[in-house]
Amino acid sequence: ETGVTQSPTHLIKTRGQQVTLRCSSQSGHNTVSWYQQALGQGPQFIFQYYREEENGRGNFPPRFSGLQFPNYSSELNVNALELDDSALYLCASSSQETQYFGPGTRLLVL
Amino acid sequence: SQQGEEDPQALSIQEGENATMNCSYKTSINNLQWYRQNSGRGLVHLILIRSNEREKHSGRLRVTLDTSKKSSSLLITASRAADTASYFCATDINQAGTALIFGKGTTLSVSS
Repeated sequence: ETGVTQSPTHLIKTRGQQVTLRCSSQSGHNTVSWYQQALGQGPQFIFQYYREEENGRGNFPPRFSGLQFPNYSSELNVNALELDDSALYLCASSSQETQYFGPGTRLLVL
Repeated sequence: SQQGEEDPQALSIQEGENATMNCSYKTSINNLQWYRQNSGRGLVHLILIRSNEREKHSGRLRVTLDTSKKSSSLLITASRAADTASYFCATDINQAGTALIFGKGTTLSVSS
């Protein structure tokens, strides 16, 4: 167990809707990263937050946005959902180089 | 975009045998990490090797890094059925942080 938790575990949405996924960091970690993992693929980096500021972003459109809170927990928001957004969404917390992953949220967009 | 590419894509072995997976990457790195994923769940960190290191061991795991060839290998010795999982290499290329770029992974199946 890494101490990183994510909610919800599973989610079903329809195209055009909005979704918020949540992540609680491991104690003492000030950096949170979010990844999208499509079926059969490796995780793709979405963005990273360090002390409540965005600290890097991957090749994802602006409808993917995030927040980090003072307690270092984090949210991933996705607007105008598309079918291709169906994936496992992983968050990872870190204080140095090693990232510790949560169990993920599996999102299905119909 | 994919930075790392694992090889082979799939590997099937018997318990007790060794499993070797390879990873190639394209750009300079700060470090390279290997992760394991069971059945589409969260990733478990296995080992980190820095760009100035050539080999690292952790239990039954041995990782090598050749920065001149931009490649790494993960060796699992005396495999067990519980080692059945997908294995990913991930490179740290973000100089300001620790964003990881993953490959597509190697699916390892260990049969008893």
